[in-house]
Amino acid sequence: SAVISQKPSRDICQRGTSLTIQCQVDSQVTMMFWYRQQPGQSLTLIATANQGSEATYESGFVIDKFPISRPNLTFSTLTVSNMSPEDSSIYLCSVEAPDRAAGYTFGSGTRLTVV
Amino acid sequence: AQKITQTQPGMFVQEKEAVTLDCTYDTSDPSYGLFWYKQPSSGEMIFLIYQGSYDQQNATEGRYSLNFQKARKSANLVISASQLGDSAMYFCAMRVASQGGKLIFGQGTELSVKP
Repeated sequence: SAVISQKPSRDICQRGTSLTIQCQVDSQVTMMFWYRQQPGQSLTLIATANQGSEATYESGFVIDKFPISRPNLTFSTLTVSNMSPEDSSIYLCSVEAPDRAAGYTFGSGTRLTVV
Repeated sequence: AQKITQTQPGMFVQEKEAVTLDCTYDTSDPSYGLFWYKQPSSGEMIFLIYQGSYDQQNATEGRYSLNFQKARKSANLVISASQLGDSAMYFCAMRVASQGGKLIFGQGTELSVKP
């Protein structure tokens, strides 16, 4: 299955600033998924990123707040913009394995704290 | 709408005993896949097991087995011979073919294994 390198692993940011999270995959994938996991909660999909097209955002998430880039089939970034303490979460990227039975691979996550 | 429900926020099990974590799902799509993930305190998402909606046999992976009851729309995870290292959050997730590959997660169950 694919290996994903996600960075930064953690950060503490000032409110009102932005943070860009990067995910690099060791193989080409069509779709990359970005999730948010708020403290003590489950994973919620933010958006699906396809190469060469605009990301598809889930209800409750907007491009102005969470802009996504997908410049090629192995790389994607998620930016958390104009941050507030409510954005403190773990952010994870994910890709689907070619063999569905092998599951989805996740990055190691970015633990974001906004102060 | 697609939904995954895990009704056990927390579970305790004695070391070396078996434990069942419940998961029910709701979808009208005949093609779907069900996944279980383990998330230890480090935050990484570890894929455990997969069951496809058309699979005739229940999935097994080492000490993990999936009790798939299609008519009841349940996909319970059974962990045999629990180990201390099994203590973690466990998430059930569903992929629906018509929804473009994204995973929908349940609320999670926190499993604690007692020595």
